[in-house]
Amino acid sequence: EVQLLESGGGLVQPGGSLRLSCAASGFTFSTYGMTWVRQAPGKGLEWVSTISGHGGGTYYADSVKGRFTISRDNSKDTLYLQMDSLRAEDTAVYYCTKTRSDYSTGDWFDPWGQGTLVTVSS
Amino acid sequence: EVVLTQSPATLSLSPGERATLSCRASQSVNNYLAWYQQRRGQPPRLLIYDASNRATGIPARFSGSGSGTDFTLTISNLEPEDFAVYYCQHRSNWPPFTFGPGTTVEVK
Repeated sequence: EVQLLESGGGLVQPGGSLRLSCAASGFTFSTYGMTWVRQAPGKGLEWVSTISGHGGGTYYADSVKGRFTISRDNSKDTLYLQMDSLRAEDTAVYYCTKTRSDYSTGDWFDPWGQGTLVTVSS
Repeated sequence: EVVLTQSPATLSLSPGERATLSCRASQSVNNYLAWYQQRRGQPPRLLIYDASNRATGIPARFSGSGSGTDFTLTISNLEPEDFAVYYCQHRSNWPPFTFGPGTTVEVK
């Protein structure tokens, strides 16, 4: 069974940094693109960033470009999101998700982890 | 960037009724459209991909149709667990990937 377990969320001050992790299991991690999607409280879904299976391709939403860095460690089956220069508008639940098909980066998101809450506030 | 709009914003129905949800794209996305269900307090779940294909484990009462700019998600016989928020999403000419604002299916 595929499992995605996010961690690393919490309360951080504006301008601060946080690193999220997503531990994956139940599939061959290195062959799937991975993505972070966020959801502000009471709001809809917003794509944040995607990384290819080998890690050579990374893609970002304009709202986080230059502040967030996606990476992965295929030896540890773990996805990361380094978030710097955090703003109040980054407050959201951050979900980790994998591509539906292997050897594909721009594919549908299936399944999703339970999410981790990031709160940016002074 | 492709913008997705969903209608209606809220759909009030009773169990057993048929739900019809719409998603419209600002430009053609061919059939590169998916639907996700999000129950309260849960992560989203992929229902339909490539406009009309049910994801693994999704009941047959869920069906998707459309291509180009106009898409429909139909739930043929609402079960209690189907009352949730539904999002459409495209993957045409990504990045970015974009989601629609969602349709809430609530109990009438």
